[in-house]
Amino acid sequence: NAGVMQNPRHLVRRRGQEARLRCSPMKGHSHVYWYRQLPEEGLKFMVYLQKENIIDESGMPKERFSAEFPKEGPSILRIQQVVRGDSAAYFCASSPNRGGTDTQYFGPGTRLTVL
Amino acid sequence: LAKTTQPISMDSYEGQEVNITCSHNNIATNDYITWYQQFPSQGPRFIIQGYKTKVTNEVASLFIPADRKSSTLSLPRVSLSDTAVYYCLVGELSGSARQLTFGSGTQLTVLP
Repeated sequence: NAGVMQNPRHLVRRRGQEARLRCSPMKGHSHVYWYRQLPEEGLKFMVYLQKENIIDESGMPKERFSAEFPKEGPSILRIQQVVRGDSAAYFCASSPNRGGTDTQYFGPGTRLTVL
Repeated sequence: LAKTTQPISMDSYEGQEVNITCSHNNIATNDYITWYQQFPSQGPRFIIQGYKTKVTNEVASLFIPADRKSSTLSLPRVSLSDTAVYYCLVGELSGSARQLTFGSGTQLTVLP
């Protein structure tokens, strides 16, 4: 059973470009979470999704950031018009049920660098 | 403002027991407490999870008091390879909303 997969592992973008980060949850998991980790800092919750639904986006910046988890395919975190402050590691986690009662398993992360 | 706090850093020697405490005063009623280990440039790795009292697995123990406002991760006989950042994760109540919150992380350094 493969773990949580994220791609790309490293992504370089210039200011103003778009960044798309993909996350494939573990088999059988229908809940996906995205977290951001700025350099030398801890992990910050961004968004929690179930298939085709955003359950909690309280940690998402109001502008430029969006997330989806379609019926088929991976979850996508999209950052439009990236700025240098978006440079960070973005981690995806998945669980079979709601995160409060089920363990979240993390992917290896995508390291975004904005030039 | 709901906040989950941990000591910033701890040092230990090989073979010692290490206890790391996380304070989570506003933990949601039905939420479990989960601890993760993170090495540089890697994703967090699950260590242990519990709801109350004591949980033990092959790598750690987790102690949770009756009020659940804190939890203590116990690592028996640490080795150099246990040097990492350790995070607790809980669902916290912020007003009427529940928010997933990671602790600030504890950098554990194991010395020879």
